[in-house]
Amino acid sequence: AQSVTQLDSHVSVSEGTPVLLRCNYSSSYSPSLFWYVQHPNKGLQLLLKYTSAATLVKGINGFEAEFKKSETSFHLTKPSAHMSDAAEYFCVVSGSSNTGKLIFGQGTTLQVKP
Amino acid sequence: DTAVSQTPKYLVTQMGNDKSIKCEQNLGHDTMYWYKQDSKKFLKIMFSYNNKELIINETVPNRFSPKSPDKAHLNLHINSLELGDSAVYFCASSQGWILNTGELFFGEGSRLTVL
Repeated sequence: AQSVTQLDSHVSVSEGTPVLLRCNYSSSYSPSLFWYVQHPNKGLQLLLKYTSAATLVKGINGFEAEFKKSETSFHLTKPSAHMSDAAEYFCVVSGSSNTGKLIFGQGTTLQVKP
Repeated sequence: DTAVSQTPKYLVTQMGNDKSIKCEQNLGHDTMYWYKQDSKKFLKIMFSYNNKELIINETVPNRFSPKSPDKAHLNLHINSLELGDSAVYFCASSQGWILNTGELFFGEGSRLTVL
C-alpha cells in the first residue's frame, strides 16, 4: 500500500529565511509525487510534481523538491520565505499505478514571521 | 472566471436533514472528484467520475450519493445528515487520469456544519 508522512505538522520561519517541509513516502512501485498548497479558505493548488523524470523538480513561486529514492523522501524547499507563503502544504503520492487515486499527507502548516 | 465552482460555500443544517452540494467546472475536463477534508485538515477521496461514469467509490456511507448529469457537473447529495458529516467538501477536476496530467484543479470548498 502507498502512504505518505509529513514529518512536521507545523513549521515556523522568518521572512527571507529558507523553508524546508519534509515528506517521506512508501510505495511498492515507482510513484508519482506532488506538493499542493492550500491558502486559508481556498482550494488546493498544485505547486510541483515528480513523475519519474528529473529528480529535482521546480515548481511555482520559487519552490522546488528533490526526489530521493534511497531515502524515500520528497522534501519541499524554498531559498527565501515570503509572507504570502504562509499556508497549508500537502505532500501527495499516487495511490496506485493505474488510477486517479491520490494519497494525501496530513499537511504542514507554514507560518512566516515578519 | 472560476475554473471549478462549488455551491453553496457554507451550509449549516440540522441532523437528519438532506442536503446537496453542486460542482461545475469550465475547464473542459473529463474527470471530476469529491474529497472530504476533516477538522484536522486530512483529505480523503470519496468519489471520482470519468465521462459521467463512476470510477472511484471509496468506503463512504451510502447516504452519500454523487450524480454527474454531464462531464462538467458533479453533484453530491447527502441523506440523513449526521454530526460526523461536518467537514469541508472539495470538488476537483482533471483531464484524464491524474497520473498522466499531474494536476487536480480544486474548487474553494463547501463547509458543511451539522448541528
